[in-house]
Amino acid sequence: GQQLNQSPQSMFIQEGEDVSMNCTSSSIFNTWLWYKQDPGEGPVLLIALYKAGELTSNGRLTAQFGITRKDSFLNISASIPSDVGIYFCAGQNPGGSEKLVFGKGTKLTVNP
Amino acid sequence: GAVVSQHPSWVICKSGTSVKIECRSLDFQATTMFWYRQFPKQSLMLMATSNEGSKATYEQGVEKDKFLINHASLTLSTLTVTSAHPEDSSFYICSASRVATEAFFGQGTRLTVV
Repeated sequence: GQQLNQSPQSMFIQEGEDVSMNCTSSSIFNTWLWYKQDPGEGPVLLIALYKAGELTSNGRLTAQFGITRKDSFLNISASIPSDVGIYFCAGQNPGGSEKLVFGKGTKLTVNP
Repeated sequence: GAVVSQHPSWVICKSGTSVKIECRSLDFQATTMFWYRQFPKQSLMLMATSNEGSKATYEQGVEKDKFLINHASLTLSTLTVTSAHPEDSSFYICSASRVATEAFFGQGTRLTVV
């Protein structure tokens, strides 16, 4: 089945640093979604991208839908301790199904 | 964002018993909901698609007789783990879409079978 390659698998940064993570796929997607999951909780939607080339911001978060429709990145600027968590990308492929394909996640640790 | 509520947040049950997990969309109607399973330190694995008014669609390898799904209304889907065994212990999460492309997740249910 389809797979998303998400990298890096984990990151250890200092508070205030910027962070970048990305997802790539061998097939195209219609929609890219970025989620954050805290331990013991369900994923929370951060940013949704609907068009190739789209660049969208949500506070300190910025995400882009790759022009080839096969990749997306998420940037976090000026990280703070509460940014700690696991970030997942998810893609929705063409064909009308609402099913999502998830990346394996990026675990972010922010040292104060 | 839209609110999806999942209940219970955690449950402990004895081996051989059945457990029901509810997923509700609180402020929108969802004709489709999804059930996921997540193992520790892993990503979400789609189990099945719950369709209001019709049978659920299960992913390959998921036992439909073990994981019963009922989507009785546009705001409620239930997952029943039947004859649970310790290997069924996991974190189960549901999601629902307000529009076709924004999926919102419930808080998850931690199931422990002893």
